[in-house]
Amino acid sequence: GENVEQHPSTLSVQEGDSAVIKCTYSDSASNYFPWYKQELGKGPQLIIDIRSNVGEKKDQRIAVTLNKTAKHFSLHITETQPEDSAVYFCAASFHSGGYQKVTFGTGTKLQVIP
Amino acid sequence: DAMVIQNPRYQVTQFGKPVTLSCSQTLNHNVMYWYQQKSSQAPKLLFHYYDKDFNNEADTPDNFQSRRPNTSFCFLDIRSPGLGDAAMYLCATSSQGPEQYFGPGTRLTVT
Repeated sequence: GENVEQHPSTLSVQEGDSAVIKCTYSDSASNYFPWYKQELGKGPQLIIDIRSNVGEKKDQRIAVTLNKTAKHFSLHITETQPEDSAVYFCAASFHSGGYQKVTFGTGTKLQVIP
Repeated sequence: DAMVIQNPRYQVTQFGKPVTLSCSQTLNHNVMYWYQQKSSQAPKLLFHYYDKDFNNEADTPDNFQSRRPNTSFCFLDIRSPGLGDAAMYLCATSSQGPEQYFGPGTRLTVT
């Protein structure tokens, strides 16, 4: 089955600096890579995603990159703000039998220091 | 404009006492998922419904059951909760696309 590794497990940055979270996956069948932000006591919120036919995607301060050959994908947050503090999960998924089979990474706790 | 709603948000049950968690959605999505998330861990899929077709993950304990009476509602039944079942339970939905939308979760405490 799919295996997703995520690094680092914790990340502290000063407000205004950039944050980068990296993930690797193992199953070449995976073709959709979402990133979720989870605040304390809340459910995961989809913040950005990328499909396997795209190498990079940007949405304001957030960008994702995908290297299909190396099976690497990364989340980049620029100009970090205290409200970016949360746990971030990467995931790799593919469509199987009518549903989306999702494998999550182990999460990165991001702390933005004011 | 809540899309995936979970009730209750916090549930306390006694060891061995059956408990039911509920999820409803206003998105009219045909797939609904139940995940278990323990502290500081990633969500773990328990099962999903594709319309009325139920699909169990291979390692989901028999203690966990689910019902989906209609498109909008899905229930998670824990027949005999143990201390190890204390966790956040997340409901999610998806439709034709790959995006999954999560509810706020129900935090289950077992005493």
